[in-house]
Amino acid sequence: SQELEQSPQSLIVQEGKNLTINCTSSKTLYGLYWYKQKYGEGLIFLMMLQKGGEEKSHEKITAKLDEKKQQSSLHITASQPSHAGIYLCGAASLSGGSNYKLTFGKGTLLTVNP
Amino acid sequence: NAGVTQTPKFQVLKTGQSMTLQCAQDMNHNSMYWYRQDPGMGLRLIYYSASEGTTDKGEVPNGYNVSRLNKREFSLRLESAAPSQTSVYFCASSEYRGTGSKETQYFGPGTRLLVL
Repeated sequence: SQELEQSPQSLIVQEGKNLTINCTSSKTLYGLYWYKQKYGEGLIFLMMLQKGGEEKSHEKITAKLDEKKQQSSLHITASQPSHAGIYLCGAASLSGGSNYKLTFGKGTLLTVNP
Repeated sequence: NAGVTQTPKFQVLKTGQSMTLQCAQDMNHNSMYWYRQDPGMGLRLIYYSASEGTTDKGEVPNGYNVSRLNKREFSLRLESAAPSQTSVYFCASSEYRGTGSKETQYFGPGTRLLVL
């Protein structure tokens, strides 16, 4: 089964600083999803990457998938307290039929101090 | 659109009691999923339903049953709750677009369950 390793497990930064969260897979990624979860709430979809070398940005968050499609990074520029939460990566893998299922990493807890 | 809704938000059970967690989506999605989230374990798939009328086991199905009541609703039942089932339960849905498509899953707000 596919395993996803996220690093770091937790991160504390000062407001305004840049930061990077990594997600490494034991197998080739057919699709890599990034979600954000605020404490006590559900998961909010951020971005999905499929192609090797692909990069997507939304506001101050940029996600990249490496050429070998085994590692993804999430970069936040000029962090704000609103960026605080748990970031999870999810890997798509083909299930027994033709659906893709998601396997998630354990998450990275981000704290942004004002 | 409410998206994915879950009831109840919180529940406390005694060991051996039964309960059903409800999930509904208004996005006309074909596929629905139940996950549990535990500290240090991340999100793990319990059961999923690729389409109305079908259900399949995920990574941790033991102790649970599911029912895909119709296209909108997917319920999770604990027949005899155990303390090991204390967790946060999330329902998700996605739109199936055909073989090989990788649909984004949209999540509900979660149900926090404590089994004493």
